[in-house]
Amino acid sequence: RKEVEQDPGPFNVPEGATVAFNCTYSNSASQSFFWYRQDCRKEPKLLMSVYSSGNEDGRFTAQLNRASQYISLLIRDSKLSDSATYLCVVRWGGYNKLIFGAGTRLAVHP
Amino acid sequence: EAQVTQNPRYLITVTGKKLTVTCSQNMNHEYMSWYRQDPGLGLRQIYYSMNVEVTDKGDVPEGYKVSRKEKRNFPLILESPSPNQTSLYFCASSLRDNTEAFFGQGTRLTVV
Repeated sequence: RKEVEQDPGPFNVPEGATVAFNCTYSNSASQSFFWYRQDCRKEPKLLMSVYSSGNEDGRFTAQLNRASQYISLLIRDSKLSDSATYLCVVRWGGYNKLIFGAGTRLAVHP
Repeated sequence: EAQVTQNPRYLITVTGKKLTVTCSQNMNHEYMSWYRQDPGLGLRQIYYSMNVEVTDKGDVPEGYKVSRKEKRNFPLILESPSPNQTSLYFCASSLRDNTEAFFGQGTRLTVV
């Protein structure tokens, strides 16, 4: 079983749609959780951290369920510019031990 | 501008020819890491460094070496590259272990 699992997609959605990604992690001792965005052939960039109480940043909402060990990302009112791969990232205890999911690809079309 | 700079961006080399990929950050970050990214596998950590002269193995360290003689630089060394090291490599740095990781633009390495 992979340490962080994501549906690879692709998710093909029209502009304005709401899309949700889920991610599961295997290590119950995981401490921090993030969503990164990666455009084609580019470096990953932090989209948002995920907090236990859930958090929102504009059209993006992240949720964490520690009991079930999954993380979600909801994107509302999708834009063409949201097309990218979204990486679920979990940090274990210790120094800078980030575990990356393989990513979920999103394609938003007109 | 705050950034992580990797060089070269693209490299094609032959099996067994030693190479170094450089990584430099200008944010005075303590933590630096190297990752490789392969289709369907996500980013996997090769080595990381918590500070100058402090390095440790990540998940896939075989065939790689690193050094951290200065805070800003963290080169990745392949002493004898093999075709299975063909991959996309990213260097990353962060202020502390639980803060945002900033990535370099990546180095696409092909070993023939």
